[in-house]
Amino acid sequence: KAGVTQTPRYLIKTRGQQVTLSCSPISGHRSVSWYQQTPGQGLQFLFEYFSETQRNKGNFPGRFSGRQFSNSRSEMNVSTLELGDSALYLCASSSRTGHEQYFGPGTRLTVT
Amino acid sequence: AQKVTQAQTEISVVEKEDVTLDCVYETRDTTYYLFWYKQPPSGELVFLIRRNSFDEQNEISGRYSWNFQKSTSSFNFTITASQVVDSAVYFCALSEARNSGGSNYKLTFGKGTLLTVNP
Repeated sequence: KAGVTQTPRYLIKTRGQQVTLSCSPISGHRSVSWYQQTPGQGLQFLFEYFSETQRNKGNFPGRFSGRQFSNSRSEMNVSTLELGDSALYLCASSSRTGHEQYFGPGTRLTVT
Repeated sequence: AQKVTQAQTEISVVEKEDVTLDCVYETRDTTYYLFWYKQPPSGELVFLIRRNSFDEQNEISGRYSWNFQKSTSSFNFTITASQVVDSAVYFCALSEARNSGGSNYKLTFGKGTLLTVNP
């Protein structure tokens, strides 16, 4: 079974721009979560989607948004990028009955 | 609020040494789940283990073992006979057990412990 895939793997953007990151979960997994990892704050939960519905949201500003499609693929969007948004963005998927979250390789976003 | 503390920021050992990574957690939930993940330099988080709060049985998987003690809110991870390939950042994580009809569970991570195994 293929693992969680994330595209793109690397991105460089300028302050004020917006960005969209994509995540394809493991086949059969309906739940997708997003996390931000920075050296200062560590791993922080952004949001979680299940069956196209946002179930849970972390403590991030409204510039961070996401969505999930009917095939369980998910996207997250960050608008009006700030330097502090530079981070590794990790996507994780899990099955309906399991609790383990399997992570993708991440998207490294650099904001200049 | 949930919290996970990994007091050891960095640990350096020589190959074949045993090493224990500490994890202490805080939660008001009576039912919760604990996890360990490994993050090698490539960046991808690799799932290692999940434990339920109602199952305090220790677990061994090859060179890895985990000691879960509710009385001290600890979930420690031991690597026996460490190898260079074990070098990575290890994260302990906690999730609440909301019953949301199959929904995923938000993970609260510790800051991680960087383990370096020298040859």
